[in-house]
Amino acid sequence: EPEVTQTPSHQVTQMGQEVILRCVPISNHLYFYWYRQILGQKVEFLVSFYNNEISEKSEIFDDQFSVERPDGSNFTLKIRSTKLEDSAMYFCASSAGVQNNQPQHFGDGTRLSIL
Amino acid sequence: AQSVSQHNHHVILSEAASLELGCNYSYGGTVNLFWYVQYPGQHLQLLLKYFSGDPLVKGIKGFEAEFIKSKFSFNLRKPSVQWSDTAEYFCAVILRGAGNKLTFGGGTRVLVKP
Repeated sequence: EPEVTQTPSHQVTQMGQEVILRCVPISNHLYFYWYRQILGQKVEFLVSFYNNEISEKSEIFDDQFSVERPDGSNFTLKIRSTKLEDSAMYFCASSAGVQNNQPQHFGDGTRLSIL
Repeated sequence: AQSVSQHNHHVILSEAASLELGCNYSYGGTVNLFWYVQYPGQHLQLLLKYFSGDPLVKGIKGFEAEFIKSKFSFNLRKPSVQWSDTAEYFCAVILRGAGNKLTFGGGTRVLVKP
């Protein structure tokens, strides 16, 4: 079964540094998402992306965050000037569409630790 | 505010016991409902989904869920669990017509003792 892959599995970064989390969505999928889960809290939606632009974003997704699809396979989340509270598990997901029979498929996640 | 609630944070049971995990949502509109499972060290996997039609939905690995619109609930059930069902289970909702973002419940950790 095709999978969403995320790299790295664990990223440790000094506060204030920039970090890029990488995702390779399932190849025929058109919709891409980032979610995060702070330890002990719910999985939260960050952003959705379609046709090379953001289609929806949450209040969490402020100017510190950006997403990009730099080529035909990768989907990245960039966090500028990281803060301690950015420490979380970040999940990438993709779906073939937004209709009823096209659910989101998730990657294994990247654990981001800000020191 | 719109939200998804899962009643139990932790559930411990023995093999062959029956499992029921509660999920309630607080959306006023039409919703799509999901249960995802995360086995230790693995990614979130879709167990089952409800969009319309028969409110009793059957998923993979012997799981089923029932949508009760009047109660805003979508409880997950399995008649007889196995040790391999040890995992964290997440209920999630998409509000139709309001994008495609999943709103998750807090998750329930299930430990099945052999």
